[in-house]
Amino acid sequence: DAGVIQSPRHEVTEMGQEVTLRCKPISGHNSLFWYRQTMMRGLELLIYFNNNVPIDDSGMPEDRFSAKMPNASFSTLKIQPSEPRDSAVYFCASSHRTTSSYNEQFFGPGTRLTVL
Amino acid sequence: DQQVKQNSPSLSVQEGRISILNCDYTNSMFDYFLWYKKYPAEGPTFLISISSIKDKNEDGRFTVFLNKSAKHLSLHIVPSQPGDSAVYFCAASARSSGDKLTFGTGTRLAVRP
Repeated sequence: DAGVIQSPRHEVTEMGQEVTLRCKPISGHNSLFWYRQTMMRGLELLIYFNNNVPIDDSGMPEDRFSAKMPNASFSTLKIQPSEPRDSAVYFCASSHRTTSSYNEQFFGPGTRLTVL
Repeated sequence: DQQVKQNSPSLSVQEGRISILNCDYTNSMFDYFLWYKKYPAEGPTFLISISSIKDKNEDGRFTVFLNKSAKHLSLHIVPSQPGDSAVYFCAASARSSGDKLTFGTGTRLAVRP
């Protein structure tokens, strides 16, 4: 099993540029999550999808951030325009949602974003 | 508003001794709690969890204790090993919030040989 795949692993860009982060969840998983990790706030949930439909986007910081999941095997997180304060590690995670109380989330290796 | 708090950013322990990592939460709707472990340049991996109907869950060297009245949980690692050196995240979930997890800021554990 390949696990959750994220690309790129590192991204350095200049303020104002568009950034697109990509995620391929584990095959068969039907929930996908985007997180951002910073020293001050730890791991914050930005948005999550269930069966490709956005369920909760209350963590998306502002309109510069958008996320899509066009099919069960691919999702993108886009920042346009990017700002230095967006610099962080962005994680994608997936899980197989069932009727049990909690379903373990499996994380990708993350994308380290630096906005200059 | 940080609903899950890990007040100790770092902890250093001698190999073979017990490591105790603490976590506090404020949302009384949380009913499931988890610990994730993270190595550098990797994503977090699930370690152990506990439901609010229990006060203890044990898995090998790892034990999680839950004190609902104090809204406090702790992770005990005994004996600690150098390979346990990592960042540990506490997370909480509420049934009413679906699959959403709320994480703390993490505690960096260093186990000295």
